[in-house]
Amino acid sequence: GQQVMQIPQYQHVQEGEDFTTYCNSSTTLSNIQWYKQRPGGHPVFLIQLVKSGEVKKQKRLTFQFGEAKKNSSLHITATQTTDVGTYFCAGPGGGSNYKLTFGKGTLLTVNP
Amino acid sequence: GAGVSQSPRYKVAKRGQDVALRCDPISGHVSLFWYQQALGQGPEFLTYFQNEAQLDKSGLPSDRFFAERPEGSVSTLKIQRTQQEDSAVYLCASSPGLLAGGAAETQYFGPGTRLLVL
Repeated sequence: GQQVMQIPQYQHVQEGEDFTTYCNSSTTLSNIQWYKQRPGGHPVFLIQLVKSGEVKKQKRLTFQFGEAKKNSSLHITATQTTDVGTYFCAGPGGGSNYKLTFGKGTLLTVNP
Repeated sequence: GAGVSQSPRYKVAKRGQDVALRCDPISGHVSLFWYQQALGQGPEFLTYFQNEAQLDKSGLPSDRFFAERPEGSVSTLKIQRTQQEDSAVYLCASSPGLLAGGAAETQYFGPGTRLLVL
């Protein structure tokens, strides 16, 4: 079945440093979504990418979807303590557009 | 407006007990999803409803797991004869519906029910 892999599993940075997490799917995706889960919280939708090569920005966050639509990345510029949490990518699989397969996530911790 | 709510937030069950977990989706949302999230893992799909119809239950781990959404709003996930490996956070999510053209609608997650089976 479809697999979605994320690296790194953990990342610890000093406040102000940049951070990047990478997501790779074993199959071509029609879209990819990114979620953030704060410690003890629930996943919160950040963004969806649909087009090959698409780049979207949200303030300090930059999301990219690969040309082959099998990989994606999330880059945070100048991290802040409020960025702490686990970042998940998720893509539809199993021939459906609703059944999301999540990666294991990247846990980001930020030292103030 | 209210988001997705789930109850109870925490549940401790003895092995072999039956449990029922409730999800109140955002009003008017057609699609409802259940996920299981083990510690340190991403959410794993369990089942999907479109209104009252359960269109996909391929992620349910065993026949001890049963979900329903009889009136197309509130949903209940029932686990019979709980086992220790059922310990996890059970997340419910809802979305307004489905889009065409490769896009999917945002899924809004509830706070989850943390189930511990002793």
